[in-house]
Amino acid sequence: DAKTTQPPSMDCAEGRAANLPCNHSTISGNEYVYWYRQIHSQGPQYIIHGLKNNETNEMASLIITEDRKSSTLILPHATLRDTAVYYCIVRVHQAGTALIFGKGTTLSVSS
Amino acid sequence: EAGVAQSPRYKIIEKRQSVAFWCNPISGHATLYWYQQILGQGPKLLIQFQNNGVVDDSQLPKDRFSAERLKGVDSTLKIQPAKLEDSAVYLCASSLETSGGGSEQFFGPGTRLTVL
Repeated sequence: DAKTTQPPSMDCAEGRAANLPCNHSTISGNEYVYWYRQIHSQGPQYIIHGLKNNETNEMASLIITEDRKSSTLILPHATLRDTAVYYCIVRVHQAGTALIFGKGTTLSVSS
Repeated sequence: EAGVAQSPRYKIIEKRQSVAFWCNPISGHATLYWYQQILGQGPKLLIQFQNNGVVDDSQLPKDRFSAERLKGVDSTLKIQPAKLEDSAVYLCASSLETSGGGSEQFFGPGTRLTVL
């Protein structure tokens, strides 16, 4: 079973920041937080991952709380193309470890 | 760089028929995964290969599902005979997997199977 809890849906206005929360209160010390997203009729796409420090790449920022029990994925300027299901996954950072998906959060970006 | 290729994209069959899906991973990726995604749910792992060996097939319904990865490259997933509850999208993913730690998985577009 998935070790994360996410809200089923969220809305965001185009151009605004989208903040997607995730709870992972049972995360272990060697587990990372990964985010993937799935646009309609496509396979999931990797976004970002982190252990305890905040991370940023060209797609998004990941903020992990100090106790590591929750995190927030931030899309700084959401566009219509960011409408997708976003999955927060806790995973050991080890070669050959499969992903365990929950139901994710459906983000709807509107103009 | 070419992505993960899957075919066919769509398949409609009747229950008790057989069906096969094909996956060509990204060149050089040692690890290959097959996931099943039922409508409204997240993908669920069916089987994982490391090169041409099976790493995890604990969630594969072995009475009807089979998979192989010949020569450690392409892979096929077969269902025989299909049931109504097998209607889903079948996703193939691959990853490079270096010794330093897990790497991101790249997913193909999936095959949407409808069993009537």
